[in-house]
Amino acid sequence: DVKVTQSSRYLVKRTGEKVFLECVQDMDHENMFWYRQDPGLGLRLIYFSYDVKMKEKGDIPEGYSVSREKKERFSLILESASTNQTSMYLCASSLPGNTEAFFGQGTRLTVV
Amino acid sequence: AQSVSQHNHHVILSEAASLELGCNYSYGGTVNLFWYVQYPGQHLQLLLKYFSGDPLVKGIKGFEAEFIKSKFSFNLRKPSVQWSDTAEYFCAVGDYNAGNMLTFGGGTRLMVKP
Repeated sequence: DVKVTQSSRYLVKRTGEKVFLECVQDMDHENMFWYRQDPGLGLRLIYFSYDVKMKEKGDIPEGYSVSREKKERFSLILESASTNQTSMYLCASSLPGNTEAFFGQGTRLTVV
Repeated sequence: AQSVSQHNHHVILSEAASLELGCNYSYGGTVNLFWYVQYPGQHLQLLLKYFSGDPLVKGIKGFEAEFIKSKFSFNLRKPSVQWSDTAEYFCAVGDYNAGNMLTFGGGTRLMVKP
């Protein structure tokens, strides 16, 4: 079974802090994704990566950056956290040429 | 860009009632279609998927979905719901022309009364 692991289930950070969300997958998937989930809005794609050191912006990249130094790890970075970034963040991975994605348990981030 | 609409935001049913959740996407081409479910406190899980072939797809836990290409729809159905089906349901479209990304609908929160 594919396992996608997010480092934290819950985080509380202060406005202006730099925040790192980590995601690791164990199935050698090329594609990795970061989504945020908000009530009534479903999941919106922030960034995705199709290979090491490669990244593409999703629908809502503003205020975020990503890092993929190793194939199994994809990090989401909030450069300066703001209260409107309070949300549930979901990491996912998939095989190349395959749109089926496998999700981690999510990180609920609260920015105060 | 692809967009996905789920018509019902909240649905409340009694046990044994039939369920149908609507999902429409914005344009055709080669797409894959998915329904994901998120039970309270759990991660997103795949319920069923359509890649090609028979447009009536059967998934886990008695769920099925029908792909109607002419209507750009992929509605989810279950003949008789159970209390344990209480969850949030997400329709998603995977578009090969958009880097294999998944585009999600807004979700439908289903509550089944015992």
